[in-house]
Amino acid sequence: QKEVEQNSGPLSVPEGAIASLNCTYSDRGSQSFFWYRQYSGKSPELIMFIYSNGDKEDGRFTAQLNKASQYVSLLIRDSQPSDSATYLCAVNAGGFKTIFGAGTRLFVKA
Amino acid sequence: KAGVTQTPRYLIKTRGQQVTLSCSPISGHRSVSWYQQTPGQGLQFLFEYFSETQRNKGNFPGRFSGRQFSNSRSEMNVSTLELGDSALYLCASSFRDTGPGETQYFGPGTRLLVL
Repeated sequence: QKEVEQNSGPLSVPEGAIASLNCTYSDRGSQSFFWYRQYSGKSPELIMFIYSNGDKEDGRFTAQLNKASQYVSLLIRDSQPSDSATYLCAVNAGGFKTIFGAGTRLFVKA
Repeated sequence: KAGVTQTPRYLIKTRGQQVTLSCSPISGHRSVSWYQQTPGQGLQFLFEYFSETQRNKGNFPGRFSGRQFSNSRSEMNVSTLELGDSALYLCASSFRDTGPGETQYFGPGTRLLVL
């Protein structure tokens, strides 16, 4: 079992719809969780981090964390074609090491 | 504030050679992590340095090594290059460490091609 798992996609949504990206992790001791966006040929850029159960909202983005289910998700409201990218889920379980999922490719159709 | 910088941006090497990549973190950041990104494996953790000390290492062979200098700049070295080492090598810096809530900021990466 991979430490951080994501559906590779591609996930295709129409412009204006809600995109839902999911991630599960195996280490129950994981403390902080991150979502990065990576455009083709570019390096990852941080979208949000979350470390408490529940929802955290930032503009059109909402991160959701459920530690009991070892599950973290990212919702993108009013999706735009510019949101088309690969979204990486990352988990820090201590030990000065962050583990990344393989990423989910998102396509937003105009 | 300037972001994370990496040099060189592109490299072409042949099998058996060695390579050194450099990373300068954001000013004031003391933690530097290195990752290898390939289409098949995604982002794989190589190692993390803080105040010139390696605090964690990923599952890579000993051909991969790194170090950090007193000014927090870091280098990684790959000796005896193999075709499979072709990848994008990313450096990320954070202020203190990679503990809870500590966020990492990535450099543009060095794309290495081994022929």
